[in-house]
Amino acid sequence: KNQVEQSPQSLIILEGKNCTLQCNYTVSPFSNLRWYKQDTGRGPVSLTIMTFSENTKSNGRYTATLDADTKQSSLHITASQLSDSASYICVVRDSGGGADGLTFGKGTHLIIQP
Amino acid sequence: DTEVTQTPKHLVMGMTNKKSLKCEQHMGHRAMYWYKQKAKKPPELMFVYSYEKLSINESVPSRFSPECPNSSLLNLHLHALQPEDSALYLCASSQDLAGVDTQYFGPGTRLTVL
Repeated sequence: KNQVEQSPQSLIILEGKNCTLQCNYTVSPFSNLRWYKQDTGRGPVSLTIMTFSENTKSNGRYTATLDADTKQSSLHITASQLSDSASYICVVRDSGGGADGLTFGKGTHLIIQP
Repeated sequence: DTEVTQTPKHLVMGMTNKKSLKCEQHMGHRAMYWYKQKAKKPPELMFVYSYEKLSINESVPSRFSPECPNSSLLNLHLHALQPEDSALYLCASSQDLAGVDTQYFGPGTRLTVL
């Protein structure tokens, strides 16, 4: 069964600090991995999407890494801001076809404190 | 325009009411999705439309009835809902169902069933 596990479940850091969120998956066959940011009560917004051949992708202060061999991804946030407080969801798509080929992680709830 | 809009933002309804959620996108996307998200949980796929045809129905109760009047609009008709149906309902769209793509999510409709 395809699974996406995220850690930590929640994280509190001070404004200006860096942090790294983890995503481990067992989805097979693998197609791509996305990181989304979801503010409370809002829809998820895509941060990055990576395919098998991509190791690193950046979007401003967000940098995602992918190790397809170990089936691990991380999302690094640099110089955190109060607006980074949100849930960060890792979503992995399989290449088996079908619209239901997305497996969502439960997310990491990040709180940035001033 | 990379926006998916949803109306209403909030909806409170009784168990005997009939209401509809609406979703609209003008990105030329041909795949549209309905998700249900409970608090602190990942989104759960409900329905998928591809080229205005229902592609996937994830065993959703018949009190939820989707409709895709044209390529830009997606509706979710609600009737005789239960209190446990209270959740954030997210609409999303993507270029199509296959390949590497990014889903664009709407802001969601917060539904409360009394």
